[in-house]
Amino acid sequence: EVQLVESGGGLVQPGGSLRLSCAASGFTFSTYWMHWVRQAPGQGLVWVSRVSSDGSNTLYADSVKGRFTISRDNAKNTLYLQMNSLRAEDTAVYYCARVFSDSSGRAFDYWGQGTLVTVSS
Amino acid sequence: DIQLTQSPSFLSASVGDRVTITCRASQGISSYLAWYQEKPGKAPKLLIYATSTLQSGVPSRFSGSGSGTEFTLTISSLQPEDFATYYCQQLNSNPLTFGGGTKVEI
Repeated sequence: EVQLVESGGGLVQPGGSLRLSCAASGFTFSTYWMHWVRQAPGQGLVWVSRVSSDGSNTLYADSVKGRFTISRDNAKNTLYLQMNSLRAEDTAVYYCARVFSDSSGRAFDYWGQGTLVTVSS
Repeated sequence: DIQLTQSPSFLSASVGDRVTITCRASQGISSYLAWYQEKPGKAPKLLIYATSTLQSGVPSRFSGSGSGTEFTLTISSLQPEDFATYYCQQLNSNPLTFGGGTKVEI
């Protein structure tokens, strides 16, 4: 069974840092590109970042570029999101998601349960 | 960035109703459009990808159609478990973007 389990969320002051983790199991983690998506309270889904299967190719939303770093450890089947210089507007539930693709197209087929990050003094 | 505009934002319906949600893209996205269902406190669930391909395990009352810039999600006969928020997502170009969501309520 495919599972994605996020951890590392919590309350942090503005300007602080957090590192989120996403532990993957039930599939060959090293062959999938992975993404982070966030959802502010009462708001919609917003894509944050993605990393290629081998970790060499990363991309970020403009809102987090230069502050967040996505990475992965394929030996540990774990995805990370290092978040620095946090702002109140980064407050959200953060989801990791697996992207799959086939001959028809691609989509996020598995999501974690999310971890809440609250940035407040 | 490609903007996705969903309509309506809110929809009130009854069990058994046929429901249609529209997603309009600010530019062409080929067929790289997916639909997700989200329930409170749960992760989003993939329903449809590539505009009209039903994800494994998703009931056949869900269907998707469209091309270019206009896409629709249809629920042919609304069931009690379908009351949720629905999001479209384009995967044609970076950054990937989501629509604003459509909340389907009783």
